[in-house]
Amino acid sequence: GENVEQHPSTLSVQEGDSAVIKCTYSDSASNYFPWYKQELGKGPQLIIDIRSNVGEKKDQRIAVTLNKTAKHFSLHITETQPEDSAVYFCAPQYSSASKIIFGSGTRLSIRP
Amino acid sequence: KAGVTQTPRYLIKTRGQQVTLSCSPISGHRSVSWYQQTPGQGLQFLFEYFSETQRNKGNFPGRFSGRQFSNSRSEMNVSTLELGDSALYLCASSLGPTSGSSGANVLTFGAGSRLTVL
Repeated sequence: GENVEQHPSTLSVQEGDSAVIKCTYSDSASNYFPWYKQELGKGPQLIIDIRSNVGEKKDQRIAVTLNKTAKHFSLHITETQPEDSAVYFCAPQYSSASKIIFGSGTRLSIRP
Repeated sequence: KAGVTQTPRYLIKTRGQQVTLSCSPISGHRSVSWYQQTPGQGLQFLFEYFSETQRNKGNFPGRFSGRQFSNSRSEMNVSTLELGDSALYLCASSLGPTSGSSGANVLTFGAGSRLTVL
């Protein structure tokens, strides 16, 4: 089955700086790579995703990059703001998989 | 459109009791997955249902069970509760394996049911 590792487990950055979270997976058949954000008291919410035929995708201040050869993908947040403080999860998977394994999560804190 | 609705949001039980949690998916979504979230173990996959059939199950004891109804609503049950079952139980819905060419299982989560076992 899929083995997923996410690093770092905690990350503290100054407001306005950038943050990068990395996710490494084991299943070479994985072809869909999403990132979820969980705010306090809420369930995780999809914030950005990428398919295996694309190397990078950007949406305003967030971006995801994929290295299929090395089997890892990363979440990049630029110009961080207080509302970016949350726990972030990766969840690499193969098309319509019935069992989706999540990374262990990264708690991101933005210092004012 | 309405999101994923989980009930109850909070509940307190004692050891040995049983509990049933409910999940109403987004309209049109036919797949429902359940996850247990604890501070030490992160998001642990419990099971996934599609068209009333359990397609996959995580590494949890038989005390954890679930089902899905014809309207895609799902319930999960935990019998003989233990202190370690205290957790946030999250439900997520998606279109499922017939979601089209993208094939991606984009999950939409509910806010969760927080269970405390005393």
